[in-house]
Amino acid sequence: EDQVTQSPEALRLQEGESSSLNCSYTVSGLRGLFWYRQDPGKGPEFLFTLYSAGEEKEKERLKATLTKKESFLHITAPKPEDSATYLCAGLRASNTGKLIFGQGTTLQVKP
Amino acid sequence: NAGVTQTPKFQVLKTGQSMTLQCAQDMNHEYMSWYRQDPGMGLRLIHYSVGAGITDQGEVPNGYNVSRSTTEDFPLRLLSAAPSQTSVYFCASRPLSGQETQYFGPGTRLLVL
Repeated sequence: EDQVTQSPEALRLQEGESSSLNCSYTVSGLRGLFWYRQDPGKGPEFLFTLYSAGEEKEKERLKATLTKKESFLHITAPKPEDSATYLCAGLRASNTGKLIFGQGTTLQVKP
Repeated sequence: NAGVTQTPKFQVLKTGQSMTLQCAQDMNHEYMSWYRQDPGMGLRLIHYSVGAGITDQGEVPNGYNVSRSTTEDFPLRLLSAAPSQTSVYFCASRPLSGQETQYFGPGTRLLVL
């Protein structure tokens, strides 16, 4: 069964304290691994897509990496405005490929 | 581009009432989908469509109905609302090829009493 698991469920950091969020996946013929950011009361906002093991993508203080079994979202020197829930999702390889979402990691960055 | 839009933003229903959640996108995306988001459950797929006239069930389709008469619109109908349908509903769209990035609407918060 396809599954995406994120850890930890919640993470509290001090401003400037770097850390990583984990996304483990078992998705049939993974066609892409997506990261989203979700602020309270809003819809998920697209961050990155990773397609193959070894691929990395960066945006400001965020860097996403992908292996054959998991993906990491590294947050370098976070700021309070990085506080949000981060969602990971795997896209199945099929004609009607579906996104399988993890439950998310809620990040709080304190000043 | 407005992207993906949803109406209403918030709705209160009584058990047994019916209603339609509206979703529209202006990106000419073939694929559209509806998710519900509940605490601790993540985003779960309700129904999806790969083009006008084509719909299919997702993970949690019971109690919901969809149709797709145009590329732009993908309404979700609650036939007879139940308290278990209290949730936040998100519509999303993406192209069927290329980058396949899925874009989400702002959500509809539904409370069924």
